[in-house]
Amino acid sequence: GAGVSQSPSNKVTEKGKDVELRCDPISGHTALYWYRQRLGQGLEFLIYFQGNSAPDKSGLPSDRFSAERTGESVSTLTIQRTQQEDSAVYLCASSLRAQGTGAFTYEQYFGPGTRLTVT
Amino acid sequence: KQEVTQIPAALSVPEGENLVLNCSFTDSAIYNLQWFRQDPGKGLTSLLLIQSSQREQTSGRLNASLDKSSGRSTLYIAASQPGDSATYLCAVRGSQGNLIFGKGTKLSVKP
Repeated sequence: GAGVSQSPSNKVTEKGKDVELRCDPISGHTALYWYRQRLGQGLEFLIYFQGNSAPDKSGLPSDRFSAERTGESVSTLTIQRTQQEDSAVYLCASSLRAQGTGAFTYEQYFGPGTRLTVT
Repeated sequence: KQEVTQIPAALSVPEGENLVLNCSFTDSAIYNLQWFRQDPGKGLTSLLLIQSSQREQTSGRLNASLDKSSGRSTLYIAASQPGDSATYLCAVRGSQGNLIFGKGTKLSVKP
């Protein structure tokens, strides 16, 4: 079946502009995660959604970052007033659900990412 | 705060060699550990997932072990091939649901 898709694949924007990044998770996956990977750095968690529960925003680096999810489908990550330090690859992942029975957990499947360059 | 470390940062081996990549984490209260490979310009491909109750997982030439008490995991690659060249990432999942990643080991397999 189709995997996680993200759009656009590349985005170049001027400092100060707003950008929206889109993620389409695997159909039926109720959990959706956003991460970013800055050059030479490891992946950093940003935010995750589980079904209709309130999202876990604990990884968002500033109030310029926000994300929405429509039901259990598409998610958009919005960065307002972009700064050069926002330049990174933004990766989206989905899993069947965030937590299984007991300590059982589900695999996260990643999209190809959106490379954001802020000039 | 959970921290994940991967050693070595880079590794170059001749084709056919068996190799081990190392991952360590500071908090043993994990739910699972996942190994990924990342190819340049591409997303992450999941290789193996080890639940907290498991000790190892195998897929083809790959074997991953998990020792929660010592905070370590190893990824063993048998009979390495040039196509194995990529960055290998280790990630642990805590109670929050998100993955915490190491910075990766960049593997180069020379023909």
